[in-house]
Amino acid sequence: DTGVSQDPRHKITKRGQNVTFRCDPISEHNRLYWYRQTLGQGPEFLTYFQNEAQLEKSRLLSDRFSAERPKGSFSTLEIQRTEQGDSAMYLCASSLETGPDTQYFGPGTRLTVL
Amino acid sequence: AQSVTQLDSQVPVFEEAPVELRCNYSSSVSVYLFWYVQYPNQGLQLLLKYLSGSTLVKGINGFEAEFNKSQTSFHLRKPSVHISDTAEYFCAVNLSNDYKLSFGAGTTVTVRA
Repeated sequence: DTGVSQDPRHKITKRGQNVTFRCDPISEHNRLYWYRQTLGQGPEFLTYFQNEAQLEKSRLLSDRFSAERPKGSFSTLEIQRTEQGDSAMYLCASSLETGPDTQYFGPGTRLTVL
Repeated sequence: AQSVTQLDSQVPVFEEAPVELRCNYSSSVSVYLFWYVQYPNQGLQLLLKYLSGSTLVKGINGFEAEFNKSQTSFHLRKPSVHISDTAEYFCAVNLSNDYKLSFGAGTTVTVRA
């Protein structure tokens, strides 16, 4: 069990640029989640995958955001035409399918949009 | 819909003193409850969880929490804190028929010598 990993850990970009983040879940976990955490707040749910199927997207996930999990393993989160309001920590978590299993979080990707 | 309220945003405490972090939730259906800790520049780590059974739950690092259904609370306690407990603590709720977590705003615990 190597834990959930995320890459990059930090990303600084200029407004209007596109960015892509990667998440590698724990290998046997088939559920994968993305959350966003802004300063002074708890994480907020963005989207959820079961295997390769994206089953729910939050209203927080505007049209500029897209997430994929093409082979049911790693996932990517892309933000197009970044805005300063996108600056946040983007957290990925994974869990087993059975019941209310514990979600294991990665270290996060901190995005700063200048 | 459910919501989670952490009643204290900041809790300063002296080393070896007890600490209690308060968490209340609102939900019309059964819930599962979690406490996570976030150390500076790190991801969230599970401290403990309540799924069913005994309402007193023991977690890692000497923490425990008690589920009170009538009060809709899940307060976290530690009888004697260490400097290393300085961190942000998040209470989270998961509906019994759902999968995503709803988090409180967090409580920053600062332990001083």
